[in-house]
Amino acid sequence: NAGVMQNPRHLVRRRGQEARLRCSPMKGHSHVYWYRQLPEEGLKFMVYLQKENIIDESGMPKERFSAEFPKEGPSILRIQQVVRGDSAAYFCASSPGPGTGELFFGEGSRLTVL
Amino acid sequence: TQLLEQSPQFLSIQEGENLTVYCNSSSVFSSLQWYRQEPGEGPVLLVTVVTGGEVKKLKRLTFQFGDARKDSSLHITAAQTGDTGLYLCAGGGGNNRLAFGKGNQVVVIP
Repeated sequence: NAGVMQNPRHLVRRRGQEARLRCSPMKGHSHVYWYRQLPEEGLKFMVYLQKENIIDESGMPKERFSAEFPKEGPSILRIQQVVRGDSAAYFCASSPGPGTGELFFGEGSRLTVL
Repeated sequence: TQLLEQSPQFLSIQEGENLTVYCNSSSVFSSLQWYRQEPGEGPVLLVTVVTGGEVKKLKRLTFQFGDARKDSSLHITAAQTGDTGLYLCAGGGGNNRLAFGKGNQVVVIP
């Protein structure tokens, strides 16, 4: 499968725990984006990364959230000390370059915080 | 913040009927994308429109970009049950920081 791969598809955490979501972009794509989707709110941009660099993190909360895209391995979105309001679907997308507006999305990781 | 308003939010029609949904903004976009999302899945890109007034066709789907590049419409001819889904419009910003509308939920009844 050459598409964007996300795991886990479903994750349940208790308040205060950490959540790690992983994303492998499409082959040949070096640009990765994370979006969050809440019911009734639509998709919201969180962060844009290239290999080893965060390009734009203006949509990501300043506290508890971090993202990385190392030279080797998948991109990781990390949420520390999760709260119930973090429950959402987190989508990763990749593109071959910036500015095209054409993103290829994974199937998402659905986080539930108890 | 660039806001995209999609209407109607929900639309239910009989198979074989036609429908049109809309995406409107007060901002000008250099390009606009339409995606379709099914339950439990990620959005899938359908089309990108770039030029004001542009019309693109994808089988029974017709996409139009407004002359002023602030709005777009999606028209489905002779809808089929497979057209059921959430249709999302998105406009960018630089760095593919797309602003998404909340979507048009379309249900086609057999």
